[in-house]
Amino acid sequence: AQSVTQLGSHVSVSEGALVLLRCNYSSSVPPYLFWYVQYPNQGLQLLLKYTTGATLVKGINGFEAEFKKSETSFHLTKPSAHMSDAAEYFCAVGGMDSSYKLIFGSGTRLLVRP
Amino acid sequence: KAGVTQTPRYLIKTRGQQVTLSCSPISGHRSVSWYQQTPGQGLQFLFEYFSETQRNKGNFPGRFSGRQFSNSRSEMNVSTLELGDSALYLCASSLSQGGAGELFFGEGSRLTVL
Repeated sequence: AQSVTQLGSHVSVSEGALVLLRCNYSSSVPPYLFWYVQYPNQGLQLLLKYTTGATLVKGINGFEAEFKKSETSFHLTKPSAHMSDAAEYFCAVGGMDSSYKLIFGSGTRLLVRP
Repeated sequence: KAGVTQTPRYLIKTRGQQVTLSCSPISGHRSVSWYQQTPGQGLQFLFEYFSETQRNKGNFPGRFSGRQFSNSRSEMNVSTLELGDSALYLCASSLSQGGAGELFFGEGSRLTVL
């Protein structure tokens, strides 16, 4: 079974500050991990993904995430927040087996203060 | 390259009615997944179709059904609508099935049940 926990339904940062969105997962198989972003009245857009290989993954818009197997975590970071980063962010876990579906966390809404 | 197209974007129904939502995937994508998004439950997996076959199903009652056509277009149907079915229904397509591949989402169909 797979599951995802995102700590904090809302995170507020000042423009220019570090963004840290937390994600922990549970998986009985080597996980594939994803971060998606959703802007108001839109679908989800992939920010970055981890499948195998390098544990530090760089994505679009300056975001990156690090896969830490020992901590079962895949936290999303960005060194300097921009107003346009305000959105809802979803962590998701899947697997290489076709029987595994993509399971999403409950989401974290990022607010960026001017 | 056209993205995932969902129709209709907005619809209002009354309890007891049924609804059919349509999804056209990205050209060449054979996997189509459906998710229900609500403020209380977040993103919940409904089902996935790959090459016209249902490969995975979420924990939803039998009132929720779907199908996929030979051109990979998919429809989902909800019968005997309940107030709790009000949600944003998101369709996503992928090159590969299961939770291994990146999902490309449409903008969703927002269903309101009165």
